[in-house]
Amino acid sequence: DAKTTQPPSMDCAEGRAANLPCNHSTISGNEYVYWYRQIHSQGPQYIIHGLKNNETNEMASLIITEDRKSSTLILPHATLRDTAVYYCIVRVVNNAGNMLTFGGGTRLMVKP
Amino acid sequence: NAGVMQNPRHLVRRRGQEARLRCSPMKGHSHVYWYRQLPEEGLKFMVYLQKENIIDESGMPKERFSAEFPKEGPSILRIQQVVRGDSAAYFCASSPSTGHSSGNTIYFGEGSWLTVV
Repeated sequence: DAKTTQPPSMDCAEGRAANLPCNHSTISGNEYVYWYRQIHSQGPQYIIHGLKNNETNEMASLIITEDRKSSTLILPHATLRDTAVYYCIVRVVNNAGNMLTFGGGTRLMVKP
Repeated sequence: NAGVMQNPRHLVRRRGQEARLRCSPMKGHSHVYWYRQLPEEGLKFMVYLQKENIIDESGMPKERFSAEFPKEGPSILRIQQVVRGDSAAYFCASSPSTGHSSGNTIYFGEGSWLTVV
């Protein structure tokens, strides 16, 4: 799986949008971009994933650049409970399953 | 639909004892993954199993660790003769067997915290 690069930490004011960047310049055509987060002492939580098109769900939006070399996860109105480590992972999806390889992630601190 | 269930949530073992961690995947999921997270460190892949088969165990320590996912019942991660360095959070995850991207998302349990004293 391709490697990703994320800033180690970011701050965001409560109520504002949190924009978390991720570089994946060596992504292959059959690799999806996945985002997970891990709140302290909890299991990783799936947020969203996409291949080429922008995606939105009840938790977040995912913006993928046209060349697919980078993406941004957007939490539109961050709350204190969004404080967590956010992981951007690229992954081939096929019948073989394929595990997730976690990097260091971005530690997002939402401040009042 | 219940999520990935892990038990026990917390386990204390003395050095030299055995630890058994259990994981019941989400309903309809036939792929199970185990990850380990040492204190203040990242998540490390250990093993990937399908029913009755180990698919990828490249992240498993060569000794004392084993995993199974029997035809019936939960997946088990077994650690024999535990040492203090085994103290960590162990996360199980599961996914369906379909290759479609929407159906192949991996979901995690809340983890089992092993403390070796």
